[in-house]
Amino acid sequence: DTGVSQDPRHKITKRGQNVTFRCDPISEHNRLYWYRQTLGQGPEFLTYFQNEAQLEKSRLLSDRFSAERPKGSFSTLEIQRTEQGDSAMYLCASSKLRGFGTDTQYFGPGTRLTVL
Amino acid sequence: AQSVTQLDSQVPVFEEAPVELRCNYSSSVSVYLFWYVQYPNQGLQLLLKYLSGSTLVKGINGFEAEFNKSQTSFHLRKPSVHISDTAEYFCAVSESSGYSTLTFGKGTMLLVSP
Repeated sequence: DTGVSQDPRHKITKRGQNVTFRCDPISEHNRLYWYRQTLGQGPEFLTYFQNEAQLEKSRLLSDRFSAERPKGSFSTLEIQRTEQGDSAMYLCASSKLRGFGTDTQYFGPGTRLTVL
Repeated sequence: AQSVTQLDSQVPVFEEAPVELRCNYSSSVSVYLFWYVQYPNQGLQLLLKYLSGSTLVKGINGFEAEFNKSQTSFHLRKPSVHISDTAEYFCAVSESSGYSTLTFGKGTMLLVSP
């Protein structure tokens, strides 16, 4: 396994700009998750996909946020009209559902977003 | 819904001393429990997990944790820490019903000094 990769690792943007992050999961992992981690906090769930279907979205995911996973492979997370409160580490995780409720999530290195 | 409480935000300890990082959870349903470690500027790495069976779980790097259902706890222990164990440790819980979104605690920073 090559692990979960995320790109870019760091992004600095000005308030009001749009940003897009990419996550490449471990190959053959059918589930993909996005989390947000702010300073001094644990990761908070944003959304997850099973294959290409987006099955759950947190209330944290405002309408400025959109995520896609075309063809059930890589995923993108886009934030439109960024705000300073969006500054955080965005983590991607993937897993393979092997049985009922027994998948283990493997995390990528994260994308650190700074909104000026 | 579940919640996780990590009672200590920071735990300082000397090298080769034992350490325990505390984790309590709240849930109305059966859960799976996890400990992850995060080194500076890196993602999370799975240390160990409890799904079922023996309540004492052994993980990587010499860590172990014990699931206590009556006390709703899942404390992490290591008998002798190294400088390289300095990192942030997160306890997490997910429902065992198949919907596996993780709910994390706020983390405990383990600071190992010589």
